[in-house]
Amino acid sequence: KNEVEQSPQNLTAQEGEFITINCSYSVGISALHWLQQHPGGGIVSLFMLSSGKKKHGRLIATINIQEKHSSLHITASHPRDSAVYICAVPTMYSGGGADGLTFGKGTHLIIQP
Amino acid sequence: AAGVIQSPRHLIKEKRETATLKCYPIPRHDTVYWYQQGPGQDPQFLISFYEKMQSDKGSIPDRFSAQQFSDYHSELNMSSLELGDSALYFCASSSLGGNEAFFGQGTRLTVV
Repeated sequence: KNEVEQSPQNLTAQEGEFITINCSYSVGISALHWLQQHPGGGIVSLFMLSSGKKKHGRLIATINIQEKHSSLHITASHPRDSAVYICAVPTMYSGGGADGLTFGKGTHLIIQP
Repeated sequence: AAGVIQSPRHLIKEKRETATLKCYPIPRHDTVYWYQQGPGQDPQFLISFYEKMQSDKGSIPDRFSAQQFSDYHSELNMSSLELGDSALYFCASSSLGGNEAFFGQGTRLTVV
């Protein structure tokens, strides 16, 4: 089973700061997901990436397949970015079929005005 | 754009009762996943379905069962509810091979 480690667990920053959240996993994967969970509980998919880098607005996600590591960056952070950011990878229970995702513990991000 | 729809959004049940959670995937998505997220915990994979057949099984208790119907919606049936079943239950859908999973808003189940 894939193991996922995220860091930091908690992060408080000032508005405008550049934020980096890291994710490492133990087993080679086809794709990694970055998800955002707001206090109400809903989960939103931010990125799914299998190589290189993706950018969406102020969010940037990178992945290094060889090192089994991914990072999520937020530029010009804003209080509305406050949420839990979760890294998730295929669980690889069977190596095939519709494998579920294994989630990291999440990074609780608070952006203060 | 249509998203993954879960119903109900909130559910309160007593111990030993039965609950049924429903998930309607994004149109043309053939794969559904169920996750359970306990208070303060990360989501745990329960079970998945592809083309109406069970595909993978995670940490789903024997008291729970699920199925995917001909219209691809899925239902999670939970019997003999226990206090520890109180959690947020997420459904996600994808097209197999598409990798990207889209999540519903979740059903918050409270067992009292």
